[in-house]
Amino acid sequence: GAGVSQSPSNKVTEKGKDVELRCDPISGHTALYWYRQSLGQGLEFLIYFQGNSAPDKSGLPSDRFSAERTGGSVSTLTIQRTQQEDSAVYLCASSLGQINIQYFGAGTRLSVL
Amino acid sequence: AQSVTQLDSQVPVFEEAPVELRCNYSSSVSVYLFWYVQYPNQGLQLLLKYLSGSTLVKGINGFEAEFNKSQTSFHLRKPSVHISDTAEYFCAVSDRKNSGYSTLTFGKGTMLLVSP
Repeated sequence: GAGVSQSPSNKVTEKGKDVELRCDPISGHTALYWYRQSLGQGLEFLIYFQGNSAPDKSGLPSDRFSAERTGGSVSTLTIQRTQQEDSAVYLCASSLGQINIQYFGAGTRLSVL
Repeated sequence: AQSVTQLDSQVPVFEEAPVELRCNYSSSVSVYLFWYVQYPNQGLQLLLKYLSGSTLVKGINGFEAEFNKSQTSFHLRKPSVHISDTAEYFCAVSDRKNSGYSTLTFGKGTMLLVSP
């Protein structure tokens, strides 16, 4: 069965460029989460979407970060004017129902040169 | 606010030895508890979860964990480890919300290093 799919698996970009990271959740999962995993910081929550409600953006580190979820399914995380400190693995997860069991994708490793 | 403490950043152990990875949490509300495993260059895989009921939960690959409410702990154990268990292990907590939607708060992770 299909799990959470993320693309690209690796992204190398130059400082100042914009990047888009994609997440395709498990079919039927209504909640979608983005996390960032970096050395020394562990796993940090960024943003989550639940159904048709407004997203919880409380974890986004700056206004250079944004995300959208189209049609209640695929999500795109956009980082504008990337900085070297944005280098990290960006993980997406999805979940279904009352019990918050989150299933993770393999992540996108972002390297900002 | 919630927090999760994994006291050991790295745990070296010999193959076939038992292991315990420690996790303590703090929360002002009831929680769900999880252990995830991350193999090199892979995403997080759910190892086991505590939702309700029996405080001893069993997961994949022979791992188990015990929820201790009074000590706010959820330690992970395996009686005999294999080389293939070498990975990073994350303890996580989420609120029990009526809506069912809440974020996970993770510990910093414990790297389990199994040697022959």
